[in-house]
Amino acid sequence: DVKVTQSSRYLVKRTGEKVFLECVQDMDHENMFWYRQDPGLGLRLIYFSYDVKMKEKGDIPEGYSVSREKKERFSLILESASTNQTSMYLCASSSAGPNQPQHFGDGTRLSIL
Amino acid sequence: QQQVKQSPQSLIVQKGGISIINCAYENTAFDYFPWYQQFPGKGPALLIAIRPDVSEKKEGRFTISFNKSAKQFSLHIMDSQPGDSATYFCAATFSGSARQLTFGSGTQLTVLP
Repeated sequence: DVKVTQSSRYLVKRTGEKVFLECVQDMDHENMFWYRQDPGLGLRLIYFSYDVKMKEKGDIPEGYSVSREKKERFSLILESASTNQTSMYLCASSSAGPNQPQHFGDGTRLSIL
Repeated sequence: QQQVKQSPQSLIVQKGGISIINCAYENTAFDYFPWYQQFPGKGPALLIAIRPDVSEKKEGRFTISFNKSAKQFSLHIMDSQPGDSATYFCAATFSGSARQLTFGSGTQLTVLP
């Protein structure tokens, strides 16, 4: 079974802090994704990566950056956390090729105070 | 711009009933339409998917109906069970999208025993 592991289930940070969310997948997937999930808005793509050191902006990249130094690990960085970044963050991975399913982690609920 | 509109936002069905969730899309380039199921505290997981060259796809109690001319697709859950209680997301993507999925806003389904 594919396993996508997010380092924290719950995280509380303060406004202005630099925040790191970590994600690791164990299936040698080429593609990795970061989403945020908010009630009534569904899942919105922040960034994705289709290869090591490669990254592409999604629909809502402002205030975020990402790092992919190794194939199995994809990090989301909040450069200077703000209260409007309080949300559920979901990481996903998929293999290359058309119409491959995305496999999600269980999410990190981030609260910015 | 929300390219995939999902309704209803919430749905309550009696055990044994039929649950119907509808989605409409705007981008005619979309050519793959998956549905994801999310249980509380878990990440979404692929449930069933359809391509627009077929009008219906069935897997067990779950059926996707697709209307290309109306740019609509729907998920039908027959003989709904309390274990089906979850949040359901429709999604869409197209071949030139660099593997991005555009998600609907989600439907919270509750099946009463």
